[in-house]
Amino acid sequence: KAGVTQTPRYLIKTRGQQVTLSCSPISGHRSVSWYQQTPGQGLQFLFEYFSETQRNKGNFPGRFSGRQFSNSRSEMNVSTLELGDSALYLCASRTSGGAAPYEQYFGPGTRLTVT
Amino acid sequence: GENVEQHPSTLSVQEGDSAVIKCTYSDSASNYFPWYKQELGKGPQLIIDIRSNVGEKKDQRIAVTLNKTAKHFSLHITETQPEDSAVYFCAASRSGANSKLTFGKGITLSVRP
Repeated sequence: KAGVTQTPRYLIKTRGQQVTLSCSPISGHRSVSWYQQTPGQGLQFLFEYFSETQRNKGNFPGRFSGRQFSNSRSEMNVSTLELGDSALYLCASRTSGGAAPYEQYFGPGTRLTVT
Repeated sequence: GENVEQHPSTLSVQEGDSAVIKCTYSDSASNYFPWYKQELGKGPQLIIDIRSNVGEKKDQRIAVTLNKTAKHFSLHITETQPEDSAVYFCAASRSGANSKLTFGKGITLSVRP
């Protein structure tokens, strides 16, 4: 089974621009979560999508948004980029979660650099 | 909300020795505790997890122990090898569809040949 894929792997943007990152989950996984990873803050949860609906959200400003498509692929958008948005953005997928604890699998990440 | 802390932040061991990484959590309702290994340039990889109905789980050279009373859990790596060098993250979560993983800040393990 193919793993979680993320595109692009590397991105350089300028302050004020916007960016869209893409994530394709493991086949059969319907939940996609996004995380921001920085050296100082570790892994910070952004949001989770399941069946095209956001069902959980972290403490990030509204500049960070996402969506999920009917094939479970997800995109994350950051508008009005700031220097502090430079980070590794990770996508993770799981089957559905249901009522039981879940196993979550990560993609390789997209390295975003804002200049 | 949940708060997960890892100790120590860095750890260096000689090849062949054992390594122990400890995590504490704050939410007594958490019942799922995974460990992830992240190598340079890669995403975190799930290496082992434990649920609150068991106290210990082993998989070859790695094991995880859980103490729910004290709210801490530990990763044990025996017979360490240079390829074990990586950043290790612990995490905790409640049950439920709307639950989310809360991660520790990670520990850098270096295995000296």
